[in-house]
Amino acid sequence: DIQLTQSPSFLSASVGDRVTITCRASQAISSYLAWYQQKPGKAPKLLIYAASTLQSGVPSRFSGSGSGTEFTLTISSLQPEDFATYYCQQFNRYPITFGQGTRLEIK
Amino acid sequence: EVQLVQSGAEVKKPGESLKISCKDSGYRFTNYWIAWVRQMPGKGLEWMGIIYPGDSDTRYSPSFQGQVTISADKSTNTAYLQWSSLKPSDTAMYYCATSVSAPGWFDPWGQGTLVTVSS
Repeated sequence: DIQLTQSPSFLSASVGDRVTITCRASQAISSYLAWYQQKPGKAPKLLIYAASTLQSGVPSRFSGSGSGTEFTLTISSLQPEDFATYYCQQFNRYPITFGQGTRLEIK
Repeated sequence: EVQLVQSGAEVKKPGESLKISCKDSGYRFTNYWIAWVRQMPGKGLEWMGIIYPGDSDTRYSPSFQGQVTISADKSTNTAYLQWSSLKPSDTAMYYCATSVSAPGWFDPWGQGTLVTVSS
């Protein structure tokens, strides 16, 4: 199985900050990576697919980059509604796997 | 537009069987893959498996193979996740989600079905 390791697991930041979350794959997955946002009690929401393609309707302050084994999700200027848990997911091969999550909290 | 509506919360006893559902209110049920994802209390997301309702092609995560059964009914645009004998460790939120390819990314997601297994 392809393991995805996110860092950090927990992040405390302020409104207006620029934050970056990293996702590292245990083997190369090309650009077959997606990012999701999940708020408490809600289903995950797709933010980015194919490593850097912004899903329709997602604010442009979210961006993704990377290929191979290292990927990043960047939020350029944190808004109050961005405080949530973020997950990466690889779809290079079965079984599909997720990172362990990064919890983003208000400082 | 695809919209997934899942069945309601369930409370079951160990050893009981259960089948939860995910209904697609859109028009293209047979053109998408439907995945199931588990989220145990306070934990992350785990992919369980995926089905293509058009021909019932189904793939399972090795972690869930033999533990659950994924199926779909094209006539009702509904996908299912079932257990023959529940365990307390099956207590979790279960989400369905669509994928235009397999493997692929998931969008949209259903609202989730909470399954509680307790004696």
